Amino acid sequence: NAGVTQTPKFRVLKTGQSMTLLCAQDMNHEYMYWYRQDPGMGLRLIHYSVGEGTTAKGEVPDGYNVSRLKKQNFLLGLESAAPSQTSVYFCASTLGASSYNEQFFGPGTRLTVL
Amino acid sequence: SQQGEEDPQALSIQEGENATMNCSYKTSINNLQWYRQNSGRGLVHLILIRSNEREKHSGRLRVTLDTSKKSSSLLITASRAADTASYFCATASRMDSSYKLIFGSGTRLLVRP
Repeated sequence: NAGVTQTPKFRVLKTGQSMTLLCAQDMNHEYMYWYRQDPGMGLRLIHYSVGEGTTAKGEVPDGYNVSRLKKQNFLLGLESAAPSQTSVYFCASTLGASSYNEQFFGPGTRLTVL
Repeated sequence: SQQGEEDPQALSIQEGENATMNCSYKTSINNLQWYRQNSGRGLVHLILIRSNEREKHSGRLRVTLDTSKKSSSLLITASRAADTASYFCATASRMDSSYKLIFGSGTRLLVRP
């Protein structure tokens, strides 16, 4: 099993450009999450999904959109990138709703917006 | 908003020494989790301690939880260079039909060979 994979690994955008980050998991997990990690800070939740076709906002959703058309994939979109969105983005998945479930993380996407 | 705050922010020790990291949180919890992040990598789950547990062991890891003080500690015994990483505590917060993890800012551990 590959676990959680993310593409791309690195990306540089100019202000105003758009892009989509792809997250894929092969563990048949119901729940998927997108986080951002900024220097000296823990992870902050952007959006999450509790199942195929459903998405919801997390702590810092502004400037991002998501879609979960297939259970194994969770896409994060930036419609008009801003320098404040320079960050490392992590996707995670977990089996279900229990707070006792561990989250499995992808390797991250390092995004720079100039 | 961040629930967990780790202390210290950075820790440098010699290989073979023990490393202790602390985490404080603000609201009531039903469990607390510790994760490790190697440089340039995603987070990896290390251990979970339930709110009715005071101590838990896993290999060289020992976690304690004091719900009266809203604090937890992670002890790594006989540290190795490979333990060099950032360590995060995380608490679960109710979110609609699910839970979200709220992470602290992490402790950066450097184990010198």
